[in-house]
Amino acid sequence: DAGITQSPRHKVTETGTPVTLRCHQTENHRYMYWYRQDPGHGLRLIHYSYGVKDTDKGEVSDGYSVSRSKTEDFLLTLESATSSQTSVYFCAISGSGREDEKLLFGSGTQLSVL
Amino acid sequence: GENVEQHPSTLSVQEGDSAVIKCTYSDSASNYFPWYKQELGKGPQLIIDIRSNVGEKKDQRIAVTLNKTAKHFSLHITETQPEDSAVYFCAAKGASGGSYIPTFGRGTSLIVHP
Repeated sequence: DAGITQSPRHKVTETGTPVTLRCHQTENHRYMYWYRQDPGHGLRLIHYSYGVKDTDKGEVSDGYSVSRSKTEDFLLTLESATSSQTSVYFCAISGSGREDEKLLFGSGTQLSVL
Repeated sequence: GENVEQHPSTLSVQEGDSAVIKCTYSDSASNYFPWYKQELGKGPQLIIDIRSNVGEKKDQRIAVTLNKTAKHFSLHITETQPEDSAVYFCAAKGASGGSYIPTFGRGTSLIVHP
């Protein structure tokens, strides 16, 4: 979608290796989010950011870390990937104002941990 | 924190029928209720939203209703078409503090049979 891109789109990795997913936005929105989507669980929040270097945990943050050194980039890192982290990962952004409240999602990253 | 329940998990209808998806929320501080549609292989996209000062909102074949007293809101799709087949997510969001982060329902897979 215009305004937000995720990379890579697909990733296959081995258990125990570190993995970093990137989210890049051109909307200058304050809030950025990482979700994972699994069958039967919907969208679960991993971590979110409310500004540069300001991040907080979501409901499924164990095993994940994030960093936001610039407004436009939000990185999700799996320090040591496990098979339970096989999932589709979505980044989303939203603004602070009433007109920017809706989430704009990226196209997702399919991650397979073997 | 906020808890959003969404029903049904799967909904199968014939083309031309109406479809209704229901959500309940727990946090009375929530004041913004968006609905997202996710097509296969894509990220969710906002299709309609409603704020707590409004009881109903329509956009062509889709409508959303909100009952603040009962803390539930619903998505109504009339004259369904095969292209309406997708996963639909409801969400609830507040205006400040922890409630500012949106909470999603688990999703409804809508199947429209030609």
